[in-house]
Amino acid sequence: NAGVMQNPRHLVRRRGQEARLRCSPMKGHSHVYWYRQLPEEGLKFMVYLQKENIIDESGMPKERFSAEFPKEGPSILRIQQVVRGDSAAYFCASSPQTGLNTGELFFGEGSRLTVL
Amino acid sequence: AQSVTQLDSQVPVFEEAPVELRCNYSSSVSVYLFWYVQYPNQGLQLLLKYLSGSTLVKGINGFEAEFNKSQTSFHLRKPSVHISDTAEYFCAVSSNDYKLSFGAGTTVTVRA
Repeated sequence: NAGVMQNPRHLVRRRGQEARLRCSPMKGHSHVYWYRQLPEEGLKFMVYLQKENIIDESGMPKERFSAEFPKEGPSILRIQQVVRGDSAAYFCASSPQTGLNTGELFFGEGSRLTVL
Repeated sequence: AQSVTQLDSQVPVFEEAPVELRCNYSSSVSVYLFWYVQYPNQGLQLLLKYLSGSTLVKGINGFEAEFNKSQTSFHLRKPSVHISDTAEYFCAVSSNDYKLSFGAGTTVTVRA
């Protein structure tokens, strides 16, 4: 009974390169959320997706960041032309349906991006 | 908009002693409240949640929290900690159904 799977767990990029982070939700979950944890800070909401739809991207930086959740395959968080300030832990969560009143968000172990 | 303040960034505690982690929130609307735990190199795991009803909420691993609306607090407690409780603890609040606002976290270190 696999949980939320994220990969890679650790990723090192040089400034200007692209970073791609992948997230496979728990079986039966159709809602995916991405959160970012900067050093010494709590997690911050980035984006909420359902299959083939972005529902809320109000937490996404306006440039260089994009997310998708295709009909087949994992959700992808893509960061183009990375800068040092993008260094953070990126957490993916999933839920079976909208509504925290139905339970909880199930979080993955995170992908830790380091930009040199 | 909501915000969460965890008043202690580090809490050292001896094994079998009680621990309390403080959490205050600000919100202009009704909220849902959560405590998550993050063990080293792992993801976040839900400890407990307050959605409505009884203000004393019991969670996993012997933890409990009390919702105090007048003081806008949701402090987490455990009467007797174990070495295995060493972890980072996050308080979170939400007023809708998916957007959590997290505190900066409290690192609990349990010593023998």
